[in-house]
Amino acid sequence: QKEVEQNSGPLSVPEGAIASLNCTYSDRGSQSFFWYRQYSGKSPELIMSIYSNGDKEDGRFTAQLNKASQYVSLLIRDSQPSDSATYLCAARMSGGYNKLIFGAGTRLAVHP
Amino acid sequence: SQTIHQWPATLVQPVGSPLSLECTVEGTSNPNLYWYRQAAGRGLQLLFYSVGIGQISSEVPQNLSASRPQDRQFILSSKKLLLSDSGFYLCAWSGSFASGSTDTQYFGPGTRLTVL
Repeated sequence: QKEVEQNSGPLSVPEGAIASLNCTYSDRGSQSFFWYRQYSGKSPELIMSIYSNGDKEDGRFTAQLNKASQYVSLLIRDSQPSDSATYLCAARMSGGYNKLIFGAGTRLAVHP
Repeated sequence: SQTIHQWPATLVQPVGSPLSLECTVEGTSNPNLYWYRQAAGRGLQLLFYSVGIGQISSEVPQNLSASRPQDRQFILSSKKLLLSDSGFYLCAWSGSFASGSTDTQYFGPGTRLTVL
């Protein structure tokens, strides 16, 4: 069973701090990884995708990928209360079609 | 730009009643389409995916079915709902294999289904 694991949280950080969200995956053949943000009662929205080892930055968000360790992370700098949401990590399964395996999500709470 | 619609937004149905949820995509051709279910406090479970009209693959055996009567329309159905069918149903699309951009999936606004 191919899986994506995330700590369910809640992860509580003060406003202005760096929030660090982590994810591990079991399918060693996975090549594509995604972070989605989901506000309560809403659908997931894409934050970032990452395909290569290393860091990828987009504004306040940095995704990090280490394929050897099968580890993906998302850093949110200067966290804001509006960042409070559940963050879903997804990995594209190796194989013939575009199937994503999602983690259960980490709930982030940014307090003023 | 691409837009994905789902309706209805919310639905309350009795056990044993039928179900039909609809998803349409605008602004793209030959998308790959997906149906997911998210139970309360849980992750996303892939139910069905489709790479073209009339082509449906099922991921999980259950009392749900899917159809794709048109290129950008995806329908989720059930003949008789169970209590366990309650959840947040999400439709998603990604680019076609022919376009070479198949990776990223974009979600619609979802339908919240409560079965009583």
